[in-house]
Amino acid sequence: DQQVKQNSPSLSVQEGRISILNCDYTNSMFDYFLWYKKYPAEGPTFLISISSIKDKNEDGRFTVFLNKSAKHLSLHIVPSQPGDSAVYFCAASAAGGTSYGKLTFGQGTILTVHP
Amino acid sequence: NAGVMQNPRHLVRRRGQEARLRCSPMKGHSHVYWYRQLPEEGLKFMVYLQKENIIDESGMPKERFSAEFPKEGPSILRIQQVVRGDSAAYFCASQKNPNNEQFFGPGTRLTVL
Repeated sequence: DQQVKQNSPSLSVQEGRISILNCDYTNSMFDYFLWYKKYPAEGPTFLISISSIKDKNEDGRFTVFLNKSAKHLSLHIVPSQPGDSAVYFCAASAAGGTSYGKLTFGQGTILTVHP
Repeated sequence: NAGVMQNPRHLVRRRGQEARLRCSPMKGHSHVYWYRQLPEEGLKFMVYLQKENIIDESGMPKERFSAEFPKEGPSILRIQQVVRGDSAAYFCASQKNPNNEQFFGPGTRLTVL
């Protein structure tokens, strides 16, 4: 039962262009969403999050959009840089609008940014 | 301020042996989570602990797996009588309080021969 799904296993983008990573969820109890970036042989690193009371959150080159009616969120990276090449995980929590509690992760999307 | 520490980074065990994975949270963090990542999959929650207490173990297999977070020392994830299907990367994350993000360690890669 995959409650958080990242349907694109990989994405390839040219440097300077926009990267859009997508994530769908099925559990309507999820109220806090996070994106993590992971390099090989390292743990996930927190990137950006969004509460279900918002539909957009921006932090520098990273913007997360949340469409609750569609149970869909996306991460936009603009402009993309070669150093952004990594595995990106979408995660969700059902804990009252904070990051508290266990996270449910998607399968990950491998982003490759070509120079 | 050192990040979350996990050791060993790599652990090889034969079927039937015991595996002990250690996690030292960030300074000042009293909440610890353990996740497991099987090949080609995302991380899956196993257990959530606070000092000396197991808060949520809904993701732990019913047998052979146990976890603790003593008053002093690291959190330990223990797997008894390992099988090949236990081969995975095990990550722990720590959190200062429920309102803060979880910070992940580098993981322990367990290989069962």
